[in-house]
Amino acid sequence: GQNIDQPTEMTATEGAIVQINCTYQTSGFNGLFWYQQHAGEAPTFLSYNVLDGLEEKGRFSSFLSRSKGYSYLLLKELQMKDSASYLCAVRGTYKYIFGTGTRLKVLA
Amino acid sequence: DADVTQTPRNRITKTGKRIMLECSQTKGHDRMYWYRQDPGLGLRLIYYSFDVKDINKGEISDGYSVSRQAQAKFSLSLESAIPNQTALYFCATSDLQGSSYNEQFFGPGTRLTVL
Repeated sequence: GQNIDQPTEMTATEGAIVQINCTYQTSGFNGLFWYQQHAGEAPTFLSYNVLDGLEEKGRFSSFLSRSKGYSYLLLKELQMKDSASYLCAVRGTYKYIFGTGTRLKVLA
Repeated sequence: DADVTQTPRNRITKTGKRIMLECSQTKGHDRMYWYRQDPGLGLRLIYYSFDVKDINKGEISDGYSVSRQAQAKFSLSLESAIPNQTALYFCATSDLQGSSYNEQFFGPGTRLTVL
């Protein structure tokens, strides 16, 4: 079967660092994506990993281990506007499979 | 202007009614998708299309149909709406050639309520 797991909810403090984990089991792998989604809005693309290792984009970094079926999204210097859901998605042969999302609350 | 648009943005309808949700894109992408999002269930794929003559069922296609009228237009129909089709619906596009990441671009969503 195909499955993507990520925590349902996390809480962190403004200015801190938070790591959101994602594990996956999919048939076919052509990249792993992280999207940010504010409540009631469309998901927006954050990062992409297809090879093992760390990809850094400003305050956001994403890591992938294909052998372990594991990824994480690292958010640094948290800001209140980072309060949102973060969706992990895997692109298989033809389709994208999404996790249920992790709702991040950033507290002042 | 938005690259992916959806109409209507909100719709309330009654059980048994036929309803169409429309999606248009100006990104020039070949691939288009329809998802529904429910609390706690994430985004689930209803249908996808890789070009005008290609339509494929996703994981939850029962009760839905689609039409790819042109490269830029992909419509989702509920032939006879039922209350458990109440959800937030997203259209998305992607392009194998145009983007190094092949990420999906999402429309703003249609909030559908079936009474």
